[in-house]
Amino acid sequence: AQSVTQPDIHITVSEGASLELRCNYSYGATPYLFWYVQSPGQGLQLLLKYFSGDTLVQGIKGFEAEFKRSQSSFNLRKPSVHWSDAAEYFCAVGEGYQKVTFGTGTKLQVIP
Amino acid sequence: EAQVTQNPRYLITVTGKKLTVTCSQNMNHEYMSWYRQDPGLGLRQIYYSMNVEVTDKGDVPEGYKVSRKEKRNFPLILESPSPNQTSLYFCASADSHYEQYFGPGTRLTVT
Repeated sequence: AQSVTQPDIHITVSEGASLELRCNYSYGATPYLFWYVQSPGQGLQLLLKYFSGDTLVQGIKGFEAEFKRSQSSFNLRKPSVHWSDAAEYFCAVGEGYQKVTFGTGTKLQVIP
Repeated sequence: EAQVTQNPRYLITVTGKKLTVTCSQNMNHEYMSWYRQDPGLGLRQIYYSMNVEVTDKGDVPEGYKVSRKEKRNFPLILESPSPNQTSLYFCASADSHYEQYFGPGTRLTVT
């Protein structure tokens, strides 16, 4: 069965600092991988996705993620965090249109 | 405006009283899905539908029913709600590139 692990429940970074959120997955074949962001009181919004091809994926809001098959990882990165990036971030793995499994989320706090 | 709508947004009910949460999308998406979100557990998929009259169980389907009679609508039905179904529920639809668009959520409390 597929699964996703986000080992960091809560991360605090200073505004302007770099960010890396970790995601490890378990999946039998080549996975469809996603990162979503949830602002307080809101639904989820897709940041980026990976299906195949280039393992470094660019997304919205200046985020990128790198797929590393050997490490079963899909970590999310941003070179310089803004206060508006404070939110909860979810990694997900799916079978295309079928079952999608989300991680438990990482809450990002940004301090001035 | 492309969107997924859910109603109601907030609902407090009592154990055993049947309820339906509606979900509608205006993007002509074939794929729709329901999730529940609980603290520390992230989002867990309840049911999904790949097209009209085609539905399948997600990871936590017990106690829920769905139907997909029209492409745009995907209601979630709780025949006999229990307190452990108190949660935040999200409906989503997906386009041909697998991007899911989420509704605003329905906060359900079962007493």
